[in-house]
Amino acid sequence: RKEVEQDPGPFNVPEGATVAFNCTYSNSASQSFFWYRQDCRKEPKLLMSVYSSGNEDGRFTAQLNRASQYISLLIRDSKLSDSATYLCVVPKASGNTPLVFGKGTRLSVIA
Amino acid sequence: DGGITQSPKYLFRKEGQNVTLSCEQNLNHDAMYWYRQDPGQGLRLIYYSQIVNDFQKGDIAEGYSVSREKKESFPLTVTSAQKNPTAFYLCASSRQGDVYGYTFGSGTRLTVV
Repeated sequence: RKEVEQDPGPFNVPEGATVAFNCTYSNSASQSFFWYRQDCRKEPKLLMSVYSSGNEDGRFTAQLNRASQYISLLIRDSKLSDSATYLCVVPKASGNTPLVFGKGTRLSVIA
Repeated sequence: DGGITQSPKYLFRKEGQNVTLSCEQNLNHDAMYWYRQDPGQGLRLIYYSQIVNDFQKGDIAEGYSVSREKKESFPLTVTSAQKNPTAFYLCASSRQGDVYGYTFGSGTRLTVV
């Protein structure tokens, strides 16, 4: 299994839809996980951190399944402004090690 | 406001030249990182530093060099040995520990002409 793997998409959804992205990871000892958002030709920006079973922030919910080694990101009531690439991020190894970024899942929200 | 600054935003390099990309942070973060992103690709780790005067190679360090003489600064030199340097270069910083995410600079777009 790759260190981190995501469905590249693109996901094309209408405004108001609910969309979910999955991400699998290989390091079973990882404790912290992140979702970043990257707009075209811009730097990635931290969207959510996931330390336990999950995290919720407004329309965004991240869930962690340690047994199956996957993380999901759910976006409810999609807005046009949600159009971006979403990067799944996990530590390279346990301890104080660099983060590994997935290649991203591209989302286009259509009016 | 605290942040991380990369310069220049755009850089053009002639074949055979060395160029240095600047990265400065005033977040008091101990760790700093350099990533490269190619079109449609994920971020790949070039070098990282967790403390002043120490740094480690990432997955694609060949053709690059770094220094960490000050906590605030982590410049990246793209040498002539790097065969395909055209890419988007991103610098990031973080606190120590894997519970913290990274803060990124706005990136430098390097093109070989």
